Amino acid sequence: GESVGLHLPTLSVQEGDNSIINCAYSNSASDYFIWYKQESGKGPQFIIDIRSNMDKRQGQRVTVLLNKTVKHLSLQIAATQPGDSAVYFCAENQETSGSRLTFGEGTQLTVNP
Amino acid sequence: DGGITQSPKYLFRKEGQNVTLSCEQNLNHDAMYWYRQDPGQGLRLIYYSQIVNDFQKGDIAEGYSVSREKKESFPLTVTSAQKNPTAFYLCASLRTASSYNSPLHFGNGTRLTVT
Repeated sequence: GESVGLHLPTLSVQEGDNSIINCAYSNSASDYFIWYKQESGKGPQFIIDIRSNMDKRQGQRVTVLLNKTVKHLSLQIAATQPGDSAVYFCAENQETSGSRLTFGEGTQLTVNP
Repeated sequence: DGGITQSPKYLFRKEGQNVTLSCEQNLNHDAMYWYRQDPGQGLRLIYYSQIVNDFQKGDIAEGYSVSREKKESFPLTVTSAQKNPTAFYLCASLRTASSYNSPLHFGNGTRLTVT
């Protein structure tokens, strides 16, 4: 079936560097995308979302880029900090599926001091 | 602060026993969800409820049951029929089920271990 997946299961960066986490999706009908951060033993925490009528959205130290042509989503974290170490999930949705999000497997981000 | 409370955080049961996981929200959200998370995998939907006294099966409902008697509560029962019950269980909510372009709010999960 349709799925949302991540290119890399793990990513290790130095503190202060920028991080880029990627996500591929295969459902061309998806029109809403979310990034979540999940720390060990906790539930996913909303980071940022983007609708398909946009190709870029910025938050505090985070930017999400959406390329609908190649069905690719990315999360950029500026000046990565040790507190950013976590698993990052992308998720996608479409109006016809109601509120049943499809989640990717996640990328483990490790920030080295 | 508004949020979703899942209890207990850790739960241990013997094989063959049913166990009920609690999920309470004070966000006044209509829709509630239960997900299962296994190591290295994405979240998989077990059951969801769009409104009180109504619920639907998700992708992996076999061996689970739910009830939605109150807006703020959506307990999940893991029955002895569930073949691999050991997992991290996450409860989530949404303002309304039609709010498909809004993010789910999650609780902090219950880790169930069945031996």
